[in-house]
Amino acid sequence: GAGVSQSPRYKVTKRGQDVALRCDPISGHVSLYWYRQALGQGPEFLTYFNYEAQQDKSGLPNDRFSAERPEGSISTLTIQRTEQRDSAMYRCASSFVKGEQYFGPGTRLTVT
Amino acid sequence: KNEVEQSPQNLTAQEGEFITINCSYSVGISALHWLQQHPGGGIVSLFMLSSGKKKHGRLIATINIQEKHSSLHITASHPRDSAVYICAVRSGETSGSRLTFGEGTQLTVNP
Repeated sequence: GAGVSQSPRYKVTKRGQDVALRCDPISGHVSLYWYRQALGQGPEFLTYFNYEAQQDKSGLPNDRFSAERPEGSISTLTIQRTEQRDSAMYRCASSFVKGEQYFGPGTRLTVT
Repeated sequence: KNEVEQSPQNLTAQEGEFITINCSYSVGISALHWLQQHPGGGIVSLFMLSSGKKKHGRLIATINIQEKHSSLHITASHPRDSAVYICAVRSGETSGSRLTFGEGTQLTVNP
């Protein structure tokens, strides 16, 4: 594709609901990354994949957060039982292995 | 102390001025990235470097591995350069390709 795409761009959900955020990386990019960015701060690493294998999930804040990339392309970040503190911009990026990362537009999540 | 620290946090300049943003890091790295975040929120990669210096248009990035320091320079700054500039490092340890980010430098260039 032309770039990394994410959907939805905006998501408002009630506390306690589950949300699924989607990332469609650049075609051919092996690595896919998920980051979270609070307002006024730099991004924070959550997890990353090479192909379908989750290489590092040490940045996931707790077990309500999970991610998958079953076919080595599209990835889904799922947050279960959302809390207000989960409100943030969730960004996805993709790259060749250890290459320059290309960022998607992000999903702005608001938990009310 | 954060692993990646940027200075200044905020910078205001007049159009045409030469601008320097600094990044210091405390871990071993395999690469350092400079990113630009636009007012609308999109993030664009400007440079990825592991040694020396890179130049693209009016932007120059340098890195000193021994001193664990990098600088981003903007020559002949323009109001359209106004954005947040973020330094990020890729660790050279076994954590793979994860990036650790600085807090960003908010640059405002006035006409």
